[in-house]
Formats: sequence, structure tokens, C-alpha cells
Amino acid sequence: SAVISQKPSRDICQRGTSLTIQCQVDSQVTMMFWYRQQPGQSLTLIATANQGSEATYESGFVIDKFPISRPNLTFSTLTVSNMSPEDSSIYLCSVVGTGLGLEAFFGQGTRLTVV
Amino acid sequence: ELKVEQNPLFLSMQEGKNYTIYCNYSTTSDRLYWYRQDPGKSLESLFVLLSNGAVKQEGRLMASLDTKARLSTLHITAAVHDLSATYFCAVLANNDMRFGAGTRLTVKP
Repeated sequence: SAVISQKPSRDICQRGTSLTIQCQVDSQVTMMFWYRQQPGQSLTLIATANQGSEATYESGFVIDKFPISRPNLTFSTLTVSNMSPEDSSIYLCSVVGTGLGLEAFFGQGTRLTVV
Repeated sequence: ELKVEQNPLFLSMQEGKNYTIYCNYSTTSDRLYWYRQDPGKSLESLFVLLSNGAVKQEGRLMASLDTKARLSTLHITAAVHDLSATYFCAVLANNDMRFGAGTRLTVKP
């Protein structure tokens, strides 16, 4: 199994500012994903965080708005840049790995409110 | 690109009735997951399905996987109010993991 520490758990931010969300895993994982879940909606994949290379972004999400780092196999950050109220959402990291069994593991989520 | 379609989006059931939620996906999958989410809560893992013909059951919920049809089903037997929640399927394929839109289930007495 894997234990994920995602920080911060919540934040209230001013529009135009940026917030960096951290995801720390207690073991090395091959796949790490970042999602957004808006109220009443499903989880939308933002990007796959690739270790040592640029993240793979989904349609509708761009690197300038959501820069992602993954310097090693246990850690990643997602930055929400130049925030607007439309960015208010829950952001989640998730990991899947051959050494973790079949399950996917999720961080506790970051509840972001932009005012 | 992997696409995951889930239906129905909304399901209102009487207690004691049976129903099925469907999850179709567009490419060969590595794994298929079913989750439950209560309002304001985190995802709760229900099932992980790996191979064609896999069937798993827990209580009143049974999940199956047909990899040839690229279809998974979540069958609810004799629904009870406690099953009211939103259910998601998610598919892991080609280093992508995507979720269906979710089925909001309401079980009425």
C-alpha cells in the first residue's frame, strides 16, 4: 500500500495569486496523477506527472496555468497560477504502482477557494 | 485517448429493487476501479477488476468486467437506503487513469 501526504488540505486565496500543492508518497511509485473535482462533478484528469520530464497535460489544461514538478518517484507539486474564482475546486493527487498492489491511492485532497 | 462513459448519471431506486450501473471505455484497459463517494467525503474503493470475466461481490454490490466488450457493470441487489451515494468507475490504461461521470444513486424507502 501507499500513504500519501497532500498539503495544504485547504486554502482561501486571492484572485491573481498562485498556490502550490504538494504530494508526498511514502514509497516510490511509477504513475502519479493530478485531478480536479468540482462540486457535484467527477474527477477530471489534469495531468500525469512524469518523473524527470514534463508532465503530460489533458485537453483544456496548460502548463502555464498548472505547472507540475516531479523531481523524484515520491514527490510532486501542482501549482495553480494566476487564480480566478473558477479555479475553486478540490485538487487531488493519486498514485498507482506495480509495487503497491492493484489499488490506486489518493491524497486527502486540497480544497481551494479563490475569492 | 481513453474515454470512460458511465450511465445512468442519476438513479432513483426503491428499497428492495435491483439495478445496474454501466461503465464503457474506449481502449484496452489495465485495471478498472469502482468507487463510492458520499457528499463531502473522499473516495471509497469498492472493487478493482483486472481480467476478463472477473466478478467481485461485497454485500449487495457486485462488479463484473468484460474486457472484450470494454464494459464493466456494478449491480445493486435489494437496494437499501445506506447505498445512497455517488458511484464512479475509473479505468487505468496506457499510463492514464480516467473517471466516468459518476452515478448519483438515491434509494427511497
